[in-house]
Amino acid sequence: TQLLEQSPQFLSIQEGENLTVYCNSSSVFSSLQWYRQEPGEGPVLLVTVVTGGEVKKLKRLTFQFGDARKDSSLHITAAQPGDTGLYLCAGEGSGGGADGLTFGKGTHLIIQP
Amino acid sequence: NAGVTQTPKFRILKIGQSMTLQCTQDMNHNYMYWYRQDPGMGLKLIYYSVGAGITDKGEVPNGYNVSRSTTEDFPLRLELAAPSQTSVYFCASSYTGSGILTEAFFGQGTRLTVV
Repeated sequence: TQLLEQSPQFLSIQEGENLTVYCNSSSVFSSLQWYRQEPGEGPVLLVTVVTGGEVKKLKRLTFQFGDARKDSSLHITAAQPGDTGLYLCAGEGSGGGADGLTFGKGTHLIIQP
Repeated sequence: NAGVTQTPKFRILKIGQSMTLQCTQDMNHNYMYWYRQDPGMGLKLIYYSVGAGITDKGEVPNGYNVSRSTTEDFPLRLELAAPSQTSVYFCASSYTGSGILTEAFFGQGTRLTVV
């Protein structure tokens, strides 16, 4: 079973601060995805990273895939209250979508105005 | 475009009752999944299907059954509800093929309480 460990589990910071959340595994993934989930809703895909060392930017969000494709990070610059939510990382194994995505437990992020 | 639609949104069951959670998608996706999400936890895969007529167990299949008679529909059946099945259930779908990145689209979830 492939496991994804996310840290921190909870994070509450002030508007305007920067933050980084991590997603780590001992397994290699063919791709890794980040989702954001708001209360009462299903997760929504933010980004997919595929290549080791890849960096993708989505406005104030920067995603990085580790060189060995076992870990990833999400960095938010100048956090805003609208960034509040549950951030989930999900790994896709070498078997493609056949086994479904393996999800981490998530990071609960609260941005205080 | 409706995407993935789940019904009902909320349900309370008594121990031992049965029910079916409905899920339908209109994106012609080949893969469909059922996950459960417990408080403070990530998503755990219950069952998945790679196409009509084909289903397989995920990480936590006990107490559940599924069927996939059409591409669009993937219902989840609880036969004898137990308190341990109190959770939020999410259905998802994706198009997965050789060289294609998988993006999962989720429904809004069904919040189930077993009392």
